[in-house]
Amino acid sequence: ETGVTQSPTHLIKTRGQQVTLRCSSQSGHNTVSWYQQALGQGPQFIFQYYREEENGRGNFPPRFSGLQFPNYSSELNVNALELDDSALYLCASSEGLGLSGEKLFFGSGTQLSVL
Amino acid sequence: QQQVKQSPQSLIVQKGGIPIINCAYENTAFDYFPWYQQFPGKGPALLIAIRPDVSEKKEGRFTISFNKSAKQFSLHIMDSQPGDSATYFCAARRPGGSYIPTFGRGTSLIVHP
Repeated sequence: ETGVTQSPTHLIKTRGQQVTLRCSSQSGHNTVSWYQQALGQGPQFIFQYYREEENGRGNFPPRFSGLQFPNYSSELNVNALELDDSALYLCASSEGLGLSGEKLFFGSGTQLSVL
Repeated sequence: QQQVKQSPQSLIVQKGGIPIINCAYENTAFDYFPWYQQFPGKGPALLIAIRPDVSEKKEGRFTISFNKSAKQFSLHIMDSQPGDSATYFCAARRPGGSYIPTFGRGTSLIVHP
């Protein structure tokens, strides 16, 4: 059983650029959630995908968008990067919604720095 | 608006001590309260979780105490070890919708040998 993997581990971009982060969910998991974790803060929910459909979104602007693929891997895209987007981006997979989806399994994250 | 308030922000104990981390919530609809442990350079990992129908849950050296009337819950780490040094996050989740937990701001724990 493989865990949640994210790529790349680190990324440096300049303001105004676009970035794509990738996540492979744990085997058997069909739900992926993305979180932004600023330094010294708890993870903030960005959005969730369940069986390739967006299933909830946090308080993030539309320039944060995502995809989930048939193999349940996922991408997070951020357009028009701003300095405040610098953070650790975490992907978490779970086994569906409801009780089965309570346990989140996080990847190690992508550390994004925007200069 | 911070729905889950966590304290203290940081905590230092000696090996064998019992660090206690507290969380308070506002939304009485929350029905699942997990704690996550995060080491530097890693994502959070689920440590232990409780539902509001019980007042205490133990898993190994980790115990959650839950006070529904006070809307508070806490994590106790028995016989703490240097390897427990990490950041701990409490979270709370409400049923329905996307079942997404709201996280506290975290507590940085250092256990000295």
